[in-house]
Amino acid sequence: SQTIHQWPATLVQPVGSPLSLECTVEGTSNPNLYWYRQAAGRGLQLLFYSVGIGQISSEVPQNLSASRPQDRQFILSSKKLLLSDSGFYLCAWRLSGTGLFFGPGTRLTVL
Amino acid sequence: AQSVTQLGSHVSVSEGALVLLRCNYSSSVPPYLFWYVQYPNQGLQLLLKYTSAATLVKGINGFEAEFKKSETSFHLTKPSAHMSDAAEYFCAVSEAAAGNKLTFGGGTRVLVKP
Repeated sequence: SQTIHQWPATLVQPVGSPLSLECTVEGTSNPNLYWYRQAAGRGLQLLFYSVGIGQISSEVPQNLSASRPQDRQFILSSKKLLLSDSGFYLCAWRLSGTGLFFGPGTRLTVL
Repeated sequence: AQSVTQLGSHVSVSEGALVLLRCNYSSSVPPYLFWYVQYPNQGLQLLLKYTSAATLVKGINGFEAEFKKSETSFHLTKPSAHMSDAAEYFCAVSEAAAGNKLTFGGGTRVLVKP
């Protein structure tokens, strides 16, 4: 069966520090991968999605970037965090014809 | 462009009462529709999905939803609420031609009173 992992589970970072969140998927090949963010009062916002290695589509201009160095690995990064980057970050995967399957999420607090 | 509107950011129901969560969508092509549930500090879990088969879709935990094209709606119901149903629920739409992107509604938080 397929599983999706995210780490870390929680993170507290100072403003201006770098960020790296990692997501890995097991039990499937060539999935579409997604990064979503939940911020207070703003629902679920799609940040990036990827249909294959090295292929990244950005949905919202922002302080973040994403990379997909391997088929089942998706990384969310920032060079300098802002206060507004605080939120709950969710990685998800999808195969054609199915819904999204979400990871457990990373709670990021920027102070 | 696709979009989803969930009426009511908060819903309070008594244990044993009907749960009704409203979702309306807009889509330029026949949509795929989904309901997800999120418990505190967890990821989203798929409750059910509509993919152009039967218009009444049954999901996990006793939930079901009905696709009504004429009303562009996909409301979620459960006949009898349980305390464990307290969570946030999200409706989502996907257009098959839109690169598999899902667009989510703003979510409805359900409170179940004993």
